[in-house]
Amino acid sequence: EDKVVQSPLSLVVHEGDTVTLNCSYEVTNFRSLLWYKQEKKAPTFLFMLTSSGIEKKSGRLSSILDKKELFSILNITATQTGDSAVYLCAVITDSWGKLQFGAGTQVVVTP
Amino acid sequence: DTEVTQTPKHLVMGMTNKKSLKCEQHMGHRAMYWYKQKAKKPPELMFVYSYEKLSINESVPSRFSPECPNSSLLNLHLHALQPEDSALYLCASSQERQETQYFGPGTRLLVL
Repeated sequence: EDKVVQSPLSLVVHEGDTVTLNCSYEVTNFRSLLWYKQEKKAPTFLFMLTSSGIEKKSGRLSSILDKKELFSILNITATQTGDSAVYLCAVITDSWGKLQFGAGTQVVVTP
Repeated sequence: DTEVTQTPKHLVMGMTNKKSLKCEQHMGHRAMYWYKQKAKKPPELMFVYSYEKLSINESVPSRFSPECPNSSLLNLHLHALQPEDSALYLCASSQERQETQYFGPGTRLLVL
């Protein structure tokens, strides 16, 4: 059975801190891994990773994939209160494009 | 432009009602999806349409009936729902099936 596991499940940090979120996976047919940010409504797309070792960056956010050890990390530097959200990791495992989500990590950034 | 729109934003319905959720995208995407999300849980896939044909039905009860009238529109028809069907219903689209999925804002459904 395919599994996507995120850790920690929740964390509270102060503004300015750096956050590292983890996503590990055990799937039979890995195609790509995606990170989403979800506030009150729809998940918004952050990154799609298909190749090992290539860091993707967008402002204060960055992510990298390790296909040998089967995990990805999402880093947020200089956190702001607007970074408070649930961060979802998802893996595409088949040709139909089905997203297998992890449970998410709830991040709370306090002023 | 990566916008997927959904209507209505909120919906309250009784167990005997029939209603429809609508989803629209104008990005030329050929794959569209319906997800159901319960509180504090990740989204769960319900249906996948690819090139306007139903590709996946994740064992969804028949009281949910999807429809793809054209490449830009996706509907979800609801009939005789149960209170446990109350959830956020998300639509997503992608260029092709295995590519990045972009989500709409969702319809928050309450079944009384």
